[in-house]
Amino acid sequence: GENVEQHPSTLSVQEGDSAVIKCTYSDSASNYFPWYKQELGKGPQLIIDIRSNVGEKKDQRIAVTLNKTAKHFSLHITETQPEDSAVYFCAVSMNRDDKIIFGKGTRLHILP
Amino acid sequence: GAVVSQHPSRVICKSGTSVKIECRSLDFQATTMFWYRQFPKQSLMLMATSNEGSKATYEQGVEKDKFLINHASLTLSTLTVTSAHPEDSSFYICSASSVGPGFGPQHFGDGTRLSIL
Repeated sequence: GENVEQHPSTLSVQEGDSAVIKCTYSDSASNYFPWYKQELGKGPQLIIDIRSNVGEKKDQRIAVTLNKTAKHFSLHITETQPEDSAVYFCAVSMNRDDKIIFGKGTRLHILP
Repeated sequence: GAVVSQHPSRVICKSGTSVKIECRSLDFQATTMFWYRQFPKQSLMLMATSNEGSKATYEQGVEKDKFLINHASLTLSTLTVTSAHPEDSSFYICSASSVGPGFGPQHFGDGTRLSIL
């Protein structure tokens, strides 16, 4: 089955700096790569997603890049703010309405 | 936007009790809903895929007789943890995606924290 590796497990970044989280996956048939933000006691919230026919997607301070050949994708958050502190999960799926396999998560701390 | 609601948000009960958790899609229809379990400081692990009008598909290692899933309508799926024990204590989260043209990504509920004493 699909295996998703996520690094780092913890990341501390000075407010205003950029944060990068990386993931790799094993199944070349995977086509959909969402990123989720989870705050304490809540369910995960979709923050950005990308399909396999696109190499990069940006939404304001958040961007995702995908290298399908190498089977890795990354989340980039620029100009980090205190409210960006949360746990971030990368995920992989065949399609947007198919089951999702999650990475182990990255706890992001934004330092004042 | 699309909203998925879970109820209850928190349950505390004695060992041996059966607990039912509801997952509703509030403003869209969902032929498929997914149930996940998340232990503290860990990732979400898929338990089963719930299909409207048919039997659920369980992931390897998940006991179907322990975790009963019913998806009776396009807006409601239920997960019943039967004869719950302390090791079943966890955060249970459901997700759903809308059907039809232009369907969107999966939306997650805010989870149910189950504590078995």
